[in-house]
Amino acid sequence: AQSVAQPEDQVNVAEGNPLTVKCTYSVSGNPYLFWYVQYPNRGLQFLLKYITGDNLVKGSYGFEAEFNKSQTSFHLKKPSALVSDSALYFCAVEGWFSGGYNKLIFGAGTRLAVHP
Amino acid sequence: NAGVTQTPKFRVLKTGQSMTLLCAQDMNHEYMYWYRQDPGMGLRLIHYSVGEGTTAKGEVPDGYNVSRLKKQNFLLGLESAAPSQTSVYFCASSRPGAGANVLTFGAGSRLTVL
Repeated sequence: AQSVAQPEDQVNVAEGNPLTVKCTYSVSGNPYLFWYVQYPNRGLQFLLKYITGDNLVKGSYGFEAEFNKSQTSFHLKKPSALVSDSALYFCAVEGWFSGGYNKLIFGAGTRLAVHP
Repeated sequence: NAGVTQTPKFRVLKTGQSMTLLCAQDMNHEYMYWYRQDPGMGLRLIHYSVGEGTTAKGEVPDGYNVSRLKKQNFLLGLESAAPSQTSVYFCASSRPGAGANVLTFGAGSRLTVL
C-alpha cells in the first residue's frame, strides 16, 4: 500500500540551529515527493518537490530536502532555523489512485517549534 | 489573484442538518479536490474532480457529495451531518501536466457538528 510516514509529532529547535523534519515513504515506482507547510489558520502552501535528478532539492524560505532512494526517505532540512519557521509541515507522495489518476498521499504532519 | 477561495470559513451544524461548502478558483485549473484535516491524521481526500462535469471518490467519501458544474467551482455537500464530520475542510486545485502535480489550497472551512 502507498503511504507516507512522519515519525515525529513535534520537533523542537533553538533559533539559529539546523533543523530536520523526517519523512519516509512507501510507493511503487519512482516517486514524486513534496513538502507543504501550514501556518496557523491557513491552508497548506507548497515548499518544494522532488521529481528526478539531484537528490538535494531546494525550495522556498531557505528549506531543502534530501531524497534517499535506498532508505526511502525525503527529510526536510534548513541550516539555520527561524522562529517564523514554526508551523505544521506535511510530507506527501504522489501515488496512483485506483481510478487511474495520480493523487497526493499526505503524512500526518510534524509540528515544528522554533524557540528564541 | 484570489487563488482558491472557500466559503464559509466557519459553520456550526446540528446533527442531521445539511449544508454546502463552496470552493472557487480563478487559476483555470482542471483538477479540484476536497480534503478533510483531523488531528494526527493528516489530510484525507474526500472527493476530487478532473474536469468540469466529472467527480470521483477519494479515500473517505461516505456522507459527502460533490458537484462540479462549472470549471471554477467545486461544491462539497453534507446531506445529513454527523458529529464524525466535525473537521477542517480544505479545497485545492491543480493543473495536470508533465511532472509533479502541485496543489494550491484554500484557507480552510472549519465545521462543527453538534
